[in-house]
Amino acid sequence: GEDVEQSLFLSVREGDSSVINCTYTDSSSTYLYWYKQEPGAGLQLLTYIFSNMDMKQDQRLTVLLNKKDKHLSLRIADTQTGDSAIYFCAEGLKGGGNKLTFGTGTQLKVEL
Amino acid sequence: EAGVTQSPTHLIKTRGQQATLRCSPISGHTSVYWYQQALGLGLQFLLWYDEGEERNRGNFPPRFSGRQFPNYSSELNVNALELEDSALYLCASSFGPGRDEQFFGPGTRLTVL
Repeated sequence: GEDVEQSLFLSVREGDSSVINCTYTDSSSTYLYWYKQEPGAGLQLLTYIFSNMDMKQDQRLTVLLNKKDKHLSLRIADTQTGDSAIYFCAEGLKGGGNKLTFGTGTQLKVEL
Repeated sequence: EAGVTQSPTHLIKTRGQQATLRCSPISGHTSVYWYQQALGLGLQFLLWYDEGEERNRGNFPPRFSGRQFPNYSSELNVNALELEDSALYLCASSFGPGRDEQFFGPGTRLTVL
């Protein structure tokens, strides 16, 4: 079955690294995504990783995928106040009719 | 390049009425998706349209329906509105089946009184 879980809150200081974690249960995921949602706004696609990859780096963002443990993480280096938002992981399933299953979202608060 | 656009930004209706929400995909995208983001329920998949056809449907009652037009824009209709339908409705688009990256619009905030 499909179930994607995230911790609800994360607080970091400006300049530190943030690590947001996500676990999923369906091993037939094809792509795993990270989206960012700022207050009152839609979802911004940050990055994604194909399920046969272990890591993907894109500027300040690093995605790590552990398929064995069904664990996905997003690391934001040098976190800034503008990174404060809710971060959602999502999985797209092979044969899942193109729907994305989202996690509960992690609210990241960046303090000065 | 213009992103996904949605209208209206806000919509206020009363219980029992019908709501129509609109979405225009990114140019070149043929697939449109609808998601509901309700307080306490997270983001739930509603519908997927591609090339004018409904391709997949989430676990929502039949009073949630929609369509996709020849220009790939889409409408979501919600009939017999209930208080629990109050939510942010997000539309996304992609290049089509097998191209999974979905890009989202800003959403329509539906409030049912």
